Amino acid sequence: DTEVTQTPKHLVMGMTNKKSLKCEQHMGHRAMYWYKQKAKKPPELMFVYSYEKLSINESVPSRFSPECPNSSLLNLHLHALQPEDSALYLCASSQDLGRGGVSYEQYFGPGTRLTVT
Amino acid sequence: GQQVMQIPQYQHVQEGEDFTTYCNSSTTLSNIQWYKQRPGGHPVFLIQLVKSGEVKKQKRLTFQFGEAKKNSSLHITATQTTDVGTYFCAGKDSNYQLIWGAGTKLIIKP
Repeated sequence: DTEVTQTPKHLVMGMTNKKSLKCEQHMGHRAMYWYKQKAKKPPELMFVYSYEKLSINESVPSRFSPECPNSSLLNLHLHALQPEDSALYLCASSQDLGRGGVSYEQYFGPGTRLTVT
Repeated sequence: GQQVMQIPQYQHVQEGEDFTTYCNSSTTLSNIQWYKQRPGGHPVFLIQLVKSGEVKKQKRLTFQFGEAKKNSSLHITATQTTDVGTYFCAGKDSNYQLIWGAGTKLIIKP
């Protein structure tokens, strides 16, 4: 199974709402990622988890809160978002983080299309 | 910060014509990956290049990594409608971060 699943596919939320995005993979991958992608732009890295520990936080505002409950699951908790946070949120996983010059291919989920009103 | 420049932003081709996208980095990369994102879809890994001067082929797709490991290209021969999408390069820099290019959108003229 080489699939990364994400729920929900679409989400509309108000600026005062609290919601969560979910991501799951069953490939035994030890690195998981959250990306934000605006239209006509490349994916922008937000967070990286390695062996269930937060490894990288790309200076993301605290209204985004990641959580990795176990090696297969990754959540992104959203609170008090702004309209400019509307975007496609992509989850990805890879075999490992890739130390030094080594990289591993990333498997992306289909994404959650988020609209903040 | 370090950037990977990718050109062109868009390329319009007739079906059957060739397509090429280029990525350039100001510094040496450890490796470079290529992804394809179909309209409305998510990025899908195509290939990784690691060695200086490396050339890899996947059917009609040819990937190259420059001798100095600062540039890379993707060439598609005889494009088909299934090739439509945005092609991204992503290079690993000396800080071991993956730096994404802006992408090149392949559009097939009707």
